[in-house]
Amino acid sequence: GNSVTQMEGPVTLSEEAFLTINCTYTATGYPSLFWYVQYPGEGLQLLLKATKADDKGSNKGFEATYRKETTSFHLEKGSVQVSDSAVYFCARGRGGSEKLVFGKGTKLTVNP
Amino acid sequence: SAVISQKPSRDICQRGTSLTIQCQVDSQVTMMFWYRQQPGQSLTLIATANQGSEATYESGFVIDKFPISRPNLTFSTLTVSNMSPEDSSIYLCSVETAGGVNTGELFFGEGSRLTVL
Repeated sequence: GNSVTQMEGPVTLSEEAFLTINCTYTATGYPSLFWYVQYPGEGLQLLLKATKADDKGSNKGFEATYRKETTSFHLEKGSVQVSDSAVYFCARGRGGSEKLVFGKGTKLTVNP
Repeated sequence: SAVISQKPSRDICQRGTSLTIQCQVDSQVTMMFWYRQQPGQSLTLIATANQGSEATYESGFVIDKFPISRPNLTFSTLTVSNMSPEDSSIYLCSVETAGGVNTGELFFGEGSRLTVL
């Protein structure tokens, strides 16, 4: 089937802490993988993506590497800021039309 | 990029009534989609809104319950018909621009939060 499993939240960290949000997917092929972010009061927006195995997507200090062998796309950031507080969604492409399948989302709160 | 406006942003409705959600994009887009985000759940694709033809519905969603219109390349509506409390959800419009075909990058509206009593 087509599914995306994300680490359950909520996650609460102090500023400058290291962040990892786990994401694994099921696949019959090699879909594109994405992380979307939803800041409070805003719509979802693309954070980063990877389109093939071993690709690393990065943006705003966040990184995620497409791991085919473990079917994972974990999101990491070395030093989080209060402004990173948001809900993060892992997603995978599905089929040739690239319709996305989303994980349930992980809420991150960063305290000063 | 694309700027998407949805309205209403939120509404409280009575059981058995219907509500139409509007989605306006600031540019012409190739693909428009409607998603549902139920409390504590992930986003689920309801349908693809096709310009000039009937929408393409995903498994578990039907036209009688969620009629969709797309009269042009910048506008679409989703109606939630004969609502029940189970329809309480956030409904999201999203688009894929011509430059983003098959990249998987979607732009989302802020969503319409619907509560059915």
